[in-house]
Amino acid sequence: GDSVTQMEGPVTLSEEAFLTINCTYTTTGYPSLFWYVQYPGEGLQLLLKATKADDKGSNKGFEATYRKETTSFHLEKGSVQVSDSAVYFCALSDRAAGNKLTFGGGTRVLVKP
Amino acid sequence: NAGVTQTPKFQVLKTGQSMTLQCAQDMNHEYMSWYRQDPGMGLRLIHYSVGAGITDQGEVPNGYNVSRSTTEDFPLRLLSAAPSQTSVYFCASSYSALGGLAEAFFGQGTRLTVV
Repeated sequence: GDSVTQMEGPVTLSEEAFLTINCTYTTTGYPSLFWYVQYPGEGLQLLLKATKADDKGSNKGFEATYRKETTSFHLEKGSVQVSDSAVYFCALSDRAAGNKLTFGGGTRVLVKP
Repeated sequence: NAGVTQTPKFQVLKTGQSMTLQCAQDMNHEYMSWYRQDPGMGLRLIHYSVGAGITDQGEVPNGYNVSRSTTEDFPLRLLSAAPSQTSVYFCASSYSALGGLAEAFFGQGTRLTVV
């Protein structure tokens, strides 16, 4: 079945540092890929998405490129802020699997001033 | 526009009790699903529905029942609560779009403790 693997946290950074969270996936289909963010005490909300190979999703300074050759969808941000402290989830949905969302384990990011 | 509404936000149950977690969405989405979130394990799919009257099991369905009589509502029933069901539960809704599933919208979550 489908699976998503992302780097374990927590990741602790100083403000204005560069952030990378690695995400790789396995699937037999042609998935759409997502990054969701969860702020403390809240539900998940979509950060960005990509629906086909070589697409780049971007939002709020975050970017991720759908790499089919390496089955990866790494999340990057060039200069993080304290307000970016949250848990980040990589996920895929596969039309061949009924469009169900499969999540990675989540990566907690803590940005210190 | 309320989006996805879950009730209650917090619940404490005794082992063996039953209860229903409510989920409602007002976006006319055909897809609805229930996840549980446990530390270090991400979100795991419990049950999902692709439309009114249609439900299917996810990754961890044991101990839970669902039904989907309307497009708007997708309640999750715990038949006989066990401590292993202590978790945070999220309901989500979505719709199909060109190229696959569009983004999922999540509720605020229900924190359940079984003692």
